[in-house]
Amino acid sequence: AQSVTQLDSHVSVSEGTPVLLRCNYSSSYSPSLFWYVQHPNKGLQLLLKYTSAATLVKGINGFEAEFKKSETSFHLTKPSAHMSDAAEYFCVATSNSGYALNFGKGTSLLVTP
Amino acid sequence: GAGVSQSPRYKVAKRGQDVALRCDPISGHVSLFWYQQALGQGPEFLTYFQNEAQLDKSGLPSDRFFAERPEGSVSTLKIQRTQQEDSAVYLCASSLSASGSYNEQFFGPGTRLTVL
Repeated sequence: AQSVTQLDSHVSVSEGTPVLLRCNYSSSYSPSLFWYVQHPNKGLQLLLKYTSAATLVKGINGFEAEFKKSETSFHLTKPSAHMSDAAEYFCVATSNSGYALNFGKGTSLLVTP
Repeated sequence: GAGVSQSPRYKVAKRGQDVALRCDPISGHVSLFWYQQALGQGPEFLTYFQNEAQLDKSGLPSDRFFAERPEGSVSTLKIQRTQQEDSAVYLCASSLSASGSYNEQFFGPGTRLTVL
């Protein structure tokens, strides 16, 4: 069995401050892990992915995530939030099928001026 | 652009009606996926096609749901006798290669289905 837990349903930060979106996974195998972003009325966009190469993964728009096997975590960070970062973020893992994706429930990021 | 497109973007149906949702994947993409996203939830896997073959339909919630991809490109998700619990956003995704190893899935904007 495999599941993804996003620890916060809503996160609010001020523009220019750091962003931390938390994700834990549980799995009987080593899944590939991803973060996707969903802006209103737009399709899901891949931010970054971990596929067992480097544990620190850099993505688009200044986001990065660190895979910590001992903590079964894959938290998403960004040093400085921008207003355009406001969106829904999903932590995702491959299922044991290898192709279907299992999504967390999402974290809504609000960025205030 | 050359992304995944879905139509209609919005669909309102009366309970008991049949609906058909269309997905146009990126040209040349072998794999196609359907996901269902209920309000306030993450998407959930429904079904997977490799070319025209439906290899996995384990996520379809009932036998009222049917998907096809007859020529290995465009796909249609059909829901018969819609119920209120079918209200959700239906997402289509495609990826370049076949299953067995992960390839990035590119998502369409979704079809928001509301069943009254």
